[in-house]
Amino acid sequence: QQQVKQSPQSLIVQKGGISIINCAYENTAFDYFPWYQQFPGKGPALLIAIRPDVSEKKEGRFTISFNKSAKQFSLHIMDSQPGDSATYFCAASPLNAGNMLTFGGGTRLMVKP
Amino acid sequence: DGGITQSPKYLFRKEGQNVTLSCEQNLNHDAMYWYRQDPGQGLRLIYYSQIVNDFQKGDIAEGYSVSREKKESFPLTVTSAQKNPTAFYLCASSTFGTGTGELFFGEGSRLTVL
Repeated sequence: QQQVKQSPQSLIVQKGGISIINCAYENTAFDYFPWYQQFPGKGPALLIAIRPDVSEKKEGRFTISFNKSAKQFSLHIMDSQPGDSATYFCAASPLNAGNMLTFGGGTRLMVKP
Repeated sequence: DGGITQSPKYLFRKEGQNVTLSCEQNLNHDAMYWYRQDPGQGLRLIYYSQIVNDFQKGDIAEGYSVSREKKESFPLTVTSAQKNPTAFYLCASSTFGTGTGELFFGEGSRLTVL
């Protein structure tokens, strides 16, 4: 049973457009929500993360929006660039569980020039 | 440069053979992890270790074994009992404790069973 559901599985966006990836979770104990970015042939790397005491966090062109009541969070990539083409994973964990992340299924993003 | 080194990058195995994937880190991290990546299923935790000489099963430990004899090393053995071992395997490390430390991943090992 996948505790973090991620959609879409794949996404094609034109250069300059907005990429939106959504995740939903079931476990109300989850209290930390990171996003990881993975380029082909590489391991994932932390991109941005949020805790539920805020509804939004922005770092450059990347923004996480968080809706605690709906148990949903999303990643927005503004002004998407071909270099953003990668697989993106959302994840979640309880704050008191160290780094025991539950990952979503991943979204393969392609940004067309 | 600090980081995580996984080897081999590609590995082919015949059915019925055990194979060991290497993971070494020089980040001085206490915790290490093994994940399995399959298309559409994200990353699933196989085993993790928070201190030397101790490790716990993750969500999909059946058919796998690990050891943690040194802080820097966390090898994963894929045994013949693993029914569907063809996958991309990722090793990660982090500081240990409550809170939200970053996971640092290696570049992965792709295992193909012939």
